[in-house]
Amino acid sequence: GAVVSQHPSRVICKSGTSVKIECRSLDFQATTMFWYRQFPKQSLMLMATSNEGSKATYEQGVEKDKFLINHASLTLSTLTVTSAHPEDSSFYICSARDLRGGIETQYFGPGTRLLVL
Amino acid sequence: KQEVTQIPAALSVPEGENLVLNCSFTDSAIYNLQWFRQDPGKGLTSLLLIQSSQREQTSGRLNASLDKSSGRSTLYIAASQPGDSATYLCAVLRSNYQLIWGAGTKLIIKP
Repeated sequence: GAVVSQHPSRVICKSGTSVKIECRSLDFQATTMFWYRQFPKQSLMLMATSNEGSKATYEQGVEKDKFLINHASLTLSTLTVTSAHPEDSSFYICSARDLRGGIETQYFGPGTRLLVL
Repeated sequence: KQEVTQIPAALSVPEGENLVLNCSFTDSAIYNLQWFRQDPGKGLTSLLLIQSSQREQTSGRLNASLDKSSGRSTLYIAASQPGDSATYLCAVLRSNYQLIWGAGTKLIIKP
């Protein structure tokens, strides 16, 4: 299987600061990456679809100015939580779409736990 | 609108028992269905992926089945072990390549 990394794995920040999370596909090129968030005891929720070289597509209810997504290369997408507040504390997971061999699948990063104080 | 439901929400069984986790989905137009495992505070581990043309997949003590016509998938775990304790998530991949997730089944295997 393919490998997707996320950095950092855990971050604690003060309210009002911005936090950048990186998602990298290490051994394949991903034209599409996805960002999810998960609140405790709840399922994952898709936040946005990140397409290389174009603007991200956000799900309903997700503020694009709050969660900035940049997919500048075929192996890297970044999610920036701007002016973070305690309610943004969550587990953020990215995935990368893999189309090699004509089979559609997604590989997931290990997640980033964000705690906003 | 695709919805994915997992039943039960929580399950506790003694070690050594065989068990079945259920996943149902409302729209049969899917690319594939995946089962994942999530340990507390950790990321996801992909367990099994079943393509829409397949009926089942096996990996070790795990067997996943897919019945698209009825909108159901099951994850069978044989000879359960305490290390199997985790939350198990199923997700279907729609034709627009977005994953729709179930809420998960929290499994506890008692030693």
